[in-house]
Amino acid sequence: LAKTTQPISMDSYEGQEVNITCSHNNIATNDYITWYQQFPSQGPRFIIQGYKTKVTNEVASLFIPADRKSSTLSLPRVSLSDTAVYYCLVGDPGNKLTFGGGTRVLVKP
Amino acid sequence: DAGVTQSPTHLIKTRGQQVTLRCSPISGHKSVSWYQQVLGQGPQFIFQYYEKEERGRGNFPDRFSARQFPNYSSELNVNALLLGDSALYLCASSSGQGNAEAFFGQGTRLTVV
Repeated sequence: LAKTTQPISMDSYEGQEVNITCSHNNIATNDYITWYQQFPSQGPRFIIQGYKTKVTNEVASLFIPADRKSSTLSLPRVSLSDTAVYYCLVGDPGNKLTFGGGTRVLVKP
Repeated sequence: DAGVTQSPTHLIKTRGQQVTLRCSPISGHKSVSWYQQVLGQGPQFIFQYYEKEERGRGNFPDRFSARQFPNYSSELNVNALLLGDSALYLCASSSGQGNAEAFFGQGTRLTVV
C-alpha cells in the first residue's frame, strides 16, 4: 500500500487559503487519492477524491500533478470551523483505508 | 437518507470482559469496514466485509472478530478486553464498487477500566 507523508500541523487565519501537500511517491496505477476531515471524537468525513489533474467541489480543490507522486488539498477562505485533522489517503477508496497521522490545521481568528 | 449509524455511542467495560459494537451502513451499501482509533493517532483498519464475506483483516489479535448480516449491518466483537483496547471504534460503509468513497459513522467510544 502506498505510504503518505504530510505535515504534522499547520496554522492559518480566518479568510485565508490553506494548502496541504501530501507526498505519495509509490502510488500505484489504480490508486485514487482521497482526503478526509476529522473533528475530535467524530468519524472522518469525506472531503474530496481524485485520480489526476484537478478536482473541485463545494468545499475544496485537489491538485494532482502529472506524475501523481504528490497532491495538494486546497481549502479556500477557511473559517474557525475548519480547524480539524486532515488525512490524505491513497488506494482503493472503498476498501481498506490506510490512515497516517494526518495534518492538524488550526484556524485562528 | 440516514448515514452510517453506530451503537452504543459510549461504553465502559472492565478488563477481561467482552464487548459487541454494532453498525448499520448507509442504505444500499454492501461493504462495511471497522477501524480503531486511539487518542492522537489516525484510524487503524481492523476488518472489512462485503456481501457477508470477510474481504480484509488488519493486524489485530484473534480477540477481535466481526460479522456481517444479510441486511449488511455488522457487529464487531472484542473478547478479553485489555486497557489498551480503549479507543474510538469507527464503522465505515461503501457500495464496494469501483472507486466509491467510504462514509464513516460517529463511532463508539470504548473505555476499558
